[in-house]
Amino acid sequence: NAGVTQTPKFRILKIGQSMTLQCAQDMNHNYMYWYRQDPGMGLKLIYYSVGAGITDKGEVPNGYNVSRSTTEDFPLRLELAAPSQTSVYFCASSDRLGNYGYTFGSGTRLTVV
Amino acid sequence: GIQVEQSPPDLILQEGANSTLRCNFSDSVNNLQWFHQNPWGQLINLFYIPSGTKQNGRLSATTVATERYSLLYISSSQTTDSGVYFCAVDAAAGNKLTFGGGTRVLVKP
Repeated sequence: NAGVTQTPKFRILKIGQSMTLQCAQDMNHNYMYWYRQDPGMGLKLIYYSVGAGITDKGEVPNGYNVSRSTTEDFPLRLELAAPSQTSVYFCASSDRLGNYGYTFGSGTRLTVV
Repeated sequence: GIQVEQSPPDLILQEGANSTLRCNFSDSVNNLQWFHQNPWGQLINLFYIPSGTKQNGRLSATTVATERYSLLYISSSQTTDSGVYFCAVDAAAGNKLTFGGGTRVLVKP
């Protein structure tokens, strides 16, 4: 049982480049989330999904896009990377019944130069 | 949106000491979770506790929903307890958490 798997762990992008951060979970969770964490700060919600084919914006969605074609996968797309997107990105999942506790991935550290 | 404030922002403990971390929130919530972020950045869910009291080993948490606060107790602290503790809440459906700024804990041997 791998939990939530994020790839890559580290990445350096040049301004204007694009990339996709991958997230996969094997717990059959309906809910999945993308958060970003800037240095010394708490986490802020970028996008979330309550099931395959359903996504919605969080607190800081500008500059990002998501898709949810399967229950397992929830990729985050960065278009036209900017220095302000330098951050650590965390994917998480949770069930919708009973205990709503989050399971987080190990994070992707992204630097835009 | 809902506001989440954690105190104190920093805490230095001697190994073996006890401590209490506080989380205040600005509105009624249907979901509250405590997380520990270790020095390597990994986030671990400690408690899902929208109300009441729970205990897990040396850690326990209490949420008083009517007074809009939650407390995390660390007893007999160990160096492995070092890291940042986050409180996060959700005031609506969808399990979308809003995080506080965290309490940074350093346990010295």
